[in-house]
Amino acid sequence: DAGITQSPRHKVTETGTPVTLRCHQTENHRYMYWYRQDPGHGLRLIHYSYGVKDTDKGEVSDGYSVSRSKTEDFLLTLESATSSQTSVYFCAISESEEYGYTFGSGTRLTVV
Amino acid sequence: AQKITQTQPGMFVQEKEAVTLDCTYDTSDPSYGLFWYKQPSSGEMIFLIYQGSYDQQNATEGRYSLNFQKARKSANLVISASQLGDSAMYFCAMRGFSGGSNYKLTFGKGTLLTVNP
Repeated sequence: DAGITQSPRHKVTETGTPVTLRCHQTENHRYMYWYRQDPGHGLRLIHYSYGVKDTDKGEVSDGYSVSRSKTEDFLLTLESATSSQTSVYFCAISESEEYGYTFGSGTRLTVV
Repeated sequence: AQKITQTQPGMFVQEKEAVTLDCTYDTSDPSYGLFWYKQPSSGEMIFLIYQGSYDQQNATEGRYSLNFQKARKSANLVISASQLGDSAMYFCAMRGFSGGSNYKLTFGKGTLLTVNP
């Protein structure tokens, strides 16, 4: 099902360049999240949003910013990509705080 | 603060046998939820099962059951009659329901399950 889509699915970028990843949902869910997944670390929260223009930091937010100007879109920006930001990035949505997440398919980002 | 611990980096099981994946948690929230997700080699995250901290019975979903022991702060996933398609990474996660946890899911580092024919 295409309730949540991430773009791009794969990206290779150079150190120092800005990168924006997009998460788009058609479920009208209030909550949206960005996680990164690295071997040995599980999934770690970068930023999250609890409404339009309402965002907050997660545990690994340094070097990342987010924006949510519409309910359906949540953008993650790496202002100046570094090799340590090479990772798989997952977006997730949630209907309310009492529900689990639905995840996007992930974006594999490589910073060279 | 919340913490999830999965102590088994990898597990092996024979097809058709049952397997238990361990998960312990720590939280100061009086009310919380526990989740298990499956991530096959294709990479997608698949929700398996949910247990609320005040639920009286252990959660079950088909071949999946959650062995919830609140006093021990454990939420082990039991997969009965393992199938080859169960080979995947499994993540335990929790979410506190107080304002301090801010609706976030905290994940463990995962357990890689391999089902042998």
